[in-house]
Amino acid sequence: SQKIEQNSEALNIQEGKTATLTCNYTNYSPAYLQWYRQDPGRGPVFLLLIRENEKEKRKERLKVTFDTTLKQSLFHITASQPADSATYLCAPWPSNTGNQFYFGTGTSLTVIP
Amino acid sequence: DVKVTQSSRYLVKRTGEKVFLECVQDMDHENMFWYRQDPGLGLRLIYFSYDVKMKEKGDIPEGYSVSREKKERFSLILESASTNQTSMYLCASSLAVYNEQFFGPGTRLTVL
Repeated sequence: SQKIEQNSEALNIQEGKTATLTCNYTNYSPAYLQWYRQDPGRGPVFLLLIRENEKEKRKERLKVTFDTTLKQSLFHITASQPADSATYLCAPWPSNTGNQFYFGTGTSLTVIP
Repeated sequence: DVKVTQSSRYLVKRTGEKVFLECVQDMDHENMFWYRQDPGLGLRLIYFSYDVKMKEKGDIPEGYSVSREKKERFSLILESASTNQTSMYLCASSLAVYNEQFFGPGTRLTVL
């Protein structure tokens, strides 16, 4: 069956360092992979979308890679700031089933001043 | 700016009550979605709709129904609320099916 796995533990990093979050998926081949940010008690907010024929995408301090062979996406935040502290969700779509819209359970990132 | 609004931020209901959660988007999006989010389980799709009066089941449709009579409005109905439906409910919309989704602020529902 399909599975999406993100960093299983919370990630704590020092301000100014690069945070790297991992999203692995198994048993399907999504055409798109999205990353969202979610703050406590709020709905997710879209950050980036990368297509299967794109290796890398950047937006300001954010960078996403998409390796369809490894079935993995890496999400990088460079020069991290305390304001980047949040939970980050990956969403590789579509899946093989009728549902199509699976999200990972998220990685909680804390940037320490 | 796309805006997705949900009828309530917090809701407390009794077991067996019929519960309506309303979602409205103002960007003429074709697609609308209802998710629930629980600790450790993440976001799970309940239903989505790709057009007025059209709906598709997600992963966990049991105990829920939906209604989309107008393009901008997507309602989630709990026919007979149960305690295991206590959760955060999130509505979202998107222009194309696999485009970015815009989420509402969520409704935290407690069923006693």
